[in-house]
Amino acid sequence: AQTIHQWPVAEIKAVGSPLSLGCTIKGKSSPNLYWYWQATGGTLQQLFYSITVGQVESVVQLNLSASRPKDDQFILSTEKLLLSHSGFYLCAWRAGSAETLYFGSGTRLTVL
Amino acid sequence: QQKVQQSPESLTVSEGAMASLNCTFSDGTSDNFRWYRQHSGKGLEMLVSIFSDGEKEEGRFTAHLNRASLHVSLHIREPQPSDSAVYLCAVSPMNNNAGAKLTFGGGTRLTVRP
Repeated sequence: AQTIHQWPVAEIKAVGSPLSLGCTIKGKSSPNLYWYWQATGGTLQQLFYSITVGQVESVVQLNLSASRPKDDQFILSTEKLLLSHSGFYLCAWRAGSAETLYFGSGTRLTVL
Repeated sequence: QQKVQQSPESLTVSEGAMASLNCTFSDGTSDNFRWYRQHSGKGLEMLVSIFSDGEKEEGRFTAHLNRASLHVSLHIREPQPSDSAVYLCAVSPMNNNAGAKLTFGGGTRLTVRP
């Protein structure tokens, strides 16, 4: 069975500090990977997606970057956090063009 | 650009009573419609997906799609307090390629009273 693990569960960071959020998918080779973000009270937005190692496409510009260093790993990062980065970050995967998108349990980020 | 709106924003029902949630979308050419739910502070759990007009049932969850009226609904039969969560409608385009973006509605917060 496939599992998706996100870390950390929650972060409280200062404005201007760096950030790194991680996501690992086990039990599925070459998944399509996605980062979604939900501002407090807002709707979920797709930020990035990746079809293969080393390739990441940006969907929304939020002064964030994403990387896929390994087949099963997706990283979301920034060197300088903004207050507007606060929210709930979700990693997701799906197998090719299959219909179901499976989500991780998310990371709640608070920027102060 | 696809716009997805959900109603009501919040809904309270008694345990065992049917709960009905609504979702309207702006682009009728969209292909895939999904209902997810999100318990507080947790990830998303997919409940049911539907691609053709009509109904699709997954356990206690039934989705009903009417493309002509740009409307998809979710009906929860015999809801339990554990069904209390935010329910999200998501729409994706016809070309369900890797980058195809799910567009989410703002959600309906469902509370089921014992």
